[in-house]
Amino acid sequence: GIQVEQSPPDLILQEGANSTLRCNFSDSVNNLQWFHQNPWGQLINLFYIPSGTKQNGRLSATTVATERYSLLYISSSQTTDSGVYFCAVASMNRDDKIIFGKGTRLHILP
Amino acid sequence: NAGVMQNPRHLVRRRGQEARLRCSPMKGHSHVYWYRQLPEEGLKFMVYLQKENIIDESGMPKERFSAEFPKEGPSILRIQQVVRGDSAAYFCASSPRDRFGSGANVLTFGAGSRLTVL
Repeated sequence: GIQVEQSPPDLILQEGANSTLRCNFSDSVNNLQWFHQNPWGQLINLFYIPSGTKQNGRLSATTVATERYSLLYISSSQTTDSGVYFCAVASMNRDDKIIFGKGTRLHILP
Repeated sequence: NAGVMQNPRHLVRRRGQEARLRCSPMKGHSHVYWYRQLPEEGLKFMVYLQKENIIDESGMPKERFSAEFPKEGPSILRIQQVVRGDSAAYFCASSPRDRFGSGANVLTFGAGSRLTVL
């Protein structure tokens, strides 16, 4: 099945810093989503982005489907950005099964 | 719209008992996913269901685990004869895909059910 790798696994930043999180996947996809799991365990959908670029406030994401990666950018980090960021994909051949990467754990220091 | 509702939020069972976790999808959503998350780990796919139909259960353990999504009522994840290794958070997500499989498969998650097996 499709493999999803996220990097870095852990990231500690000072408030106000910018960060780039990466998601590599091993097969063509027709579905890619970024999620934020906050310290209380809630999972929030940030972007549905199988290709192209989207922006929402301080967050933006770009997926280059032909090169099998996606990037999540967080600018001017705030302590509330802390948590785990997951990339989830569905293979073009198995478009119903959505697989998660292991996540990037982000800790923003005040 | 109340979102995806999961209950119970916390469930404690002794080894050998049964656990039933319920998930009511968002209004208008007819597809449900179940994932398991162990502490400090990612989400592992378990099963994907449409009303009255299991689409993909390749992530379900072969024994003791079952899932259903009846025509009426919530989706149920059932774990029989629980063992300590079943202790985890179980998340349900729903998708607005229609019954023909059309539409963007964008997931909305519930708050999760945390199972503790003593």
